[in-house]
Amino acid sequence: KAGVTQTPRYLIKTRGQQVTLSCSPISGHRSVSWYQQTPGQGLQFLFEYFSETQRNKGNFPGRFSGRQFSNSRSEMNVSTLELGDSALYLCASSLKGDNSPLHFGNGTRLTVT
Amino acid sequence: GQQVMQIPQYQHVQEGEDFTTYCNSSTTLSNIQWYKQRPGGHPVFLIQLVKSGEVKKQKRLTFQFGEAKKNSSLHITATQTTDVGTYFCAGIGNQFYFGTGTSLTVIP
Repeated sequence: KAGVTQTPRYLIKTRGQQVTLSCSPISGHRSVSWYQQTPGQGLQFLFEYFSETQRNKGNFPGRFSGRQFSNSRSEMNVSTLELGDSALYLCASSLKGDNSPLHFGNGTRLTVT
Repeated sequence: GQQVMQIPQYQHVQEGEDFTTYCNSSTTLSNIQWYKQRPGGHPVFLIQLVKSGEVKKQKRLTFQFGEAKKNSSLHITATQTTDVGTYFCAGIGNQFYFGTGTSLTVIP
C-alpha cells in the first residue's frame, strides 16, 4: 500500500507570495490533517478534513486554508507569506479520523525569504 | 485550551543506558498515542493507550498511561543507536494535541 504522498518536497517563496501544498492520503483513508512543525514548537495542528468537510481547525490565522477533494486528496494554501511561515508542513491521513493512528507524509519544507 | 507538555526537551544518553520521557496533559484524555520521528524523517506511530493505568511493552519500550488519564510515559531500556530520534506523545481530544517532543541522542 502506498504511503501518504506530499508534493512538493521543498519550496522557496518570498514574502507576500502564496503557496499551495498537496497531499494524497493512503488509499481508503478519509481523514486528512495538516500540521506545522518548527524547531522547539513541535507539531502544531492546522486543520482536519473528513469527507470534504473541515471538522477541526487549529489556532492559525485565516491566511492558512485548506480543502479536501472527493478522492480524499487535500490541499493547503497559505496566502501573503511571512518569514515566520518557514516550516515543515506535514500531512497525515487516518482511516476514520477519530482515534485512528495518523500516517504522516514526508512533509513539504517551506522556506520564506 | 488543552495543552500537552513533554519533558525533557532533550536527552543525551550513553548507549546501554535507560531513557524516559514524560507527557502531561492539562485535561483528562480519552487516549494517548506515541510517535517517533527519526532525524530528517516524519513521525511514525508507535502505540496507543486507552485504559486508565494501562501498560504496554514493545521489546525494550514500555509505555504507561496514568490512572487519571492525564499523564503518560515512555521508557526505553538499554538504549541503542537505532533509538535516536524525537519521541512525541499525542493526547486525543477533539483533535490530536501533540507534546513538544523529547529529542533523544544516543552516544555510542
